[in-house]
Amino acid sequence: DTGVSQNPRHKITKRGQNVTFRCDPISEHNRLYWYRQTLGQGPEFLTYFQNEAQLEKSRLLSDRFSAERPKGSFSTLEIQRTEQGDSAMYLCASSLRQGGGYTFGSGTRLTVV
Amino acid sequence: AQSVTQLDSHVSVSEGTPVLLRCNYSSSYSPSLFWYVQHPNKGLQLLLKYTSAATLVKGINGFEAEFKKSETSFHLTKPSAHMSDAAEYFCVVSDNGLDKIIFGKGTRLHILP
Repeated sequence: DTGVSQNPRHKITKRGQNVTFRCDPISEHNRLYWYRQTLGQGPEFLTYFQNEAQLEKSRLLSDRFSAERPKGSFSTLEIQRTEQGDSAMYLCASSLRQGGGYTFGSGTRLTVV
Repeated sequence: AQSVTQLDSHVSVSEGTPVLLRCNYSSSYSPSLFWYVQHPNKGLQLLLKYTSAATLVKGINGFEAEFKKSETSFHLTKPSAHMSDAAEYFCVVSDNGLDKIIFGKGTRLHILP
């Protein structure tokens, strides 16, 4: 295991469709984070998990967004009824402890047409 | 509440000259501070981090940053720029009492031949 893995790398979907992304963190990391990055901006925090517990959700995460981390390993981020404004890079990161280094995946680029 | 301000959205330097990327932070607690680099179509890579040890932090690729509490600053420097340094750089803060990290809007570094 050499890093954080995200799938798919790219996703193009029609407006109104549902999409799901997957993140596999570094195996010994118990914290997992989702961020969203739009063009020309820094990544914005969406939510994070400690083990299987979702401890915080940003107000950016509307009711159409849901994230899970069953069994405290991989995580999924689902967007229902996608809108053009959801087009962005979705980044996943994991860390071993609070305040430690965060390792980011390469991201999933979502384009809603 | 924690926040970070990157004072320049774009910085251009000639190859072989010093680099200075400025960052100011706001934090309610003793912060952890990070610099990340993002090359085009690549993931975020940790350059260096400050976590209340030495105030001068050395990172990868010849970069370093100095934590100045009195100025609430964490500027990134490099003595001699290389063409491969051209990328987007993000200053990041994390309150030690909280888990999530907050990104600045980024500084795009251009290296002139």
